[in-house]
Amino acid sequence: EVQLVESGGGLVQPGGSLRLSCAASGFSFSSYWMHWVRQVPGKGLVWVSHIKSDGSDTTYADSVKGRFTISRDNAKNTLYLQMNTLRAEDTAVYYCARDWSGPDYWGQGTLVTVSS
Amino acid sequence: DIQMTQSPSAMSASVGDRVTITCRASQDIRNSLAWFQQKPGKVPKRLIYAASSLQSGVPSRFSGSGSGTEFTLTISSLQPEDYATYYCLQHNSDPLTFGGGTKVEIK
Repeated sequence: EVQLVESGGGLVQPGGSLRLSCAASGFSFSSYWMHWVRQVPGKGLVWVSHIKSDGSDTTYADSVKGRFTISRDNAKNTLYLQMNTLRAEDTAVYYCARDWSGPDYWGQGTLVTVSS
Repeated sequence: DIQMTQSPSAMSASVGDRVTITCRASQDIRNSLAWFQQKPGKVPKRLIYAASSLQSGVPSRFSGSGSGTEFTLTISSLQPEDYATYYCLQHNSDPLTFGGGTKVEIK
C-alpha cells in the first residue's frame, strides 16, 4: 500500500525557516518524481515544486523560487522541502504527492503557520 | 504559465442528477489533465488521469473527456457521497496549475 507521511509543520515567525519531510513507503520511491502542493485552509490547491526521481531536476512555483528547496534522499525514502524566509502568505497545509501521470497518491498534509 | 479556467465555481444538484464540470486551458495541454475530488478536511483524491482514464477504485459514474484545451468531468448520477469540491490539474508543462475548483452542493 502506498503511504506518504508528512511531518515538520508548525508555527514559525515571519522570516523564519522550516523543513518539511515526507516519508514514503509501499512503492519504489527512487523510481518516481515527487511533488509538493499546498492549500490555504478553505482555499484552492496550489502546486509548489517537483523533483525528478534521481534528484537531478527540480522546478518551483514563482511564489517560492529562491526561498524553498526541494530535495530527496532515496536511501531513506524521504522527500524534503526546506522553506526559508517564510512569509504570512506561506501559511497553508503542505502535501507531498507521488507522480504517475501527474500527482496520484497524496499524504495527509502538514500545517505550516507563519505568524508573529 | 498555463491558466486553467474551471466552471462553474459552485453548483447545486440533486441526488441522481447528471453533473458536468468544465476546465479550459489557456493553451494546448494535449491530454495531460487530471481531476481530483476533495471533501472537507480530507486529502485530494484523484478520479481521472490522462483526461479520460478512470483511477483504479473510482466508481464508473465518473468520467472525463477532452483534449487540447477543453476538458469535462461528468458524474452520470450524483450520489450523496459525491458532494465535494472538484479540481482539475494540468501537468503538461511547468508550473503545474490547478483550476479554481467547483463546489458541488446539495440542492
